[in-house]
Amino acid sequence: QVQLVQSGAEVRRPGASVKVSCKASGYSFIDSYIYWIRQAPGQGFEWMGWINPNAGGTKYAHKFEGRVTLTRDTSISAVYLELTRLTSDDTAMYFCAREAVKTTNYAFDIWGQGTMVTVSS
Amino acid sequence: SYVLTQPPSVSVAPGQTARIPCGGENIGMKTVHWYQQKPDQAKPGQAPVLVMYDDSDRPSGIPERFSGSNSGNTATLTISRVEVGDEADYYCQVWDSSSEPSYVFGSGTKVTVL
Repeated sequence: QVQLVQSGAEVRRPGASVKVSCKASGYSFIDSYIYWIRQAPGQGFEWMGWINPNAGGTKYAHKFEGRVTLTRDTSISAVYLELTRLTSDDTAMYFCAREAVKTTNYAFDIWGQGTMVTVSS
Repeated sequence: SYVLTQPPSVSVAPGQTARIPCGGENIGMKTVHWYQQKPDQAKPGQAPVLVMYDDSDRPSGIPERFSGSNSGNTATLTISRVEVGDEADYYCQVWDSSSEPSYVFGSGTKVTVL
């Protein structure tokens, strides 16, 4: 079935970096953009950026520019989120999500299970 | 940035109708999507499920009891004949090319089935 499977939970110290993976299966990897969206504990969703798995192009929310990098490996149908200079405000569940194929209006139809990133000294 | 406003909670008895509003300036001119996120006491933040896209289209597998509308300054997700299994947080979302960030979510509404 169509799914996105993310890497496991991470714990980092303030100032460190983290890299989270998201592996796609069950569909043509290069045909749909992948988005990264995070959710702090008890909070709503915050869009961080997207990557075009085909050409590798990216776009980031201004808030994260300079700290976030999205990459992909087409040989294994995976995308990666790297976030640097972590602070306690980055403690959140990080989701990858696929841009929906049935609309051109930027919905997200498949989500990964989430990766909890905890930043603590 | 574009702001989407949702009430924190809506309560409804089983079998009744739940209406979840999502307010935004001229939201009727935009396309609204809705997500359901069920609680999991074992872990924070269960993966959301798309329950409505393009204002009123249901993805496959979503019951016909779910419907959507969008006009003026309010979009609404309606759940008819509510079941205990519908208890969850519901989030609206739009894309706004003139906003930063461009992909905006509402703050979420917790639907409680009494």
